[in-house]
Amino acid sequence: NAGVMQNPRHLVRRRGQEARLRCSPMKGHSHVYWYRQLPEEGLKFMVYLQKENIIDESGMPKERFSAEFPKEGPSILRIQQVVRGDSAAYFCASSPAGRSYNEQFFGPGTRLTVL
Amino acid sequence: KNEVEQSPQNLTAQEGEFITINCSYSVGISALHWLQQHPGGGIVSLFMLSSGKKKHGRLIATINIQEKHSSLHITASHPRDSAVYICAVRKAGGGADGLTFGKGTHLIIQP
Repeated sequence: NAGVMQNPRHLVRRRGQEARLRCSPMKGHSHVYWYRQLPEEGLKFMVYLQKENIIDESGMPKERFSAEFPKEGPSILRIQQVVRGDSAAYFCASSPAGRSYNEQFFGPGTRLTVL
Repeated sequence: KNEVEQSPQNLTAQEGEFITINCSYSVGISALHWLQQHPGGGIVSLFMLSSGKKKHGRLIATINIQEKHSSLHITASHPRDSAVYICAVRKAGGGADGLTFGKGTHLIIQP
């Protein structure tokens, strides 16, 4: 049973370009969470999705960031017109159900560098 | 004030020592997680607790819901335990389902 997969593991973009980060949850998991870890800072929640639904996006920046989790395929975190401040490690986690006592399993992360 | 506070921020110890990392939180929770992150690496979930105590190998995690406090203990520490240990909580009730994290404890075990 493969773990949570993220790709790419490292992504370099120039200012103004778009970044697409992919997350494939563990088999049987239908809930995905995205977290961001800025340099020298702790992890912060960004968004929680179920298949075809955004459940909670209270941690997402208001502009340039979007997320989806289609019926088929991985969850995508999309950052438009990237700026240097977007450089960070982005982690996704998955769980079999989204409430209370369910453990989240983390992926290896995507390290985004904006030049 | 952060909702999840960890102490110490940094800890250096000798191989074989007993290690304790503390986590205090100020919100109602449904679960508390202990995570491990190696430099430049991914995040590994060590424990998820809602009450009592859990043990896995040389790692022990305890939680006191009334005092809003959890501890992570490492017995017979080894250099390979060197990592950042992160406490995270899932808030109780409706609303956000994402975790709220402490800033982490940087642990170095010297041979």
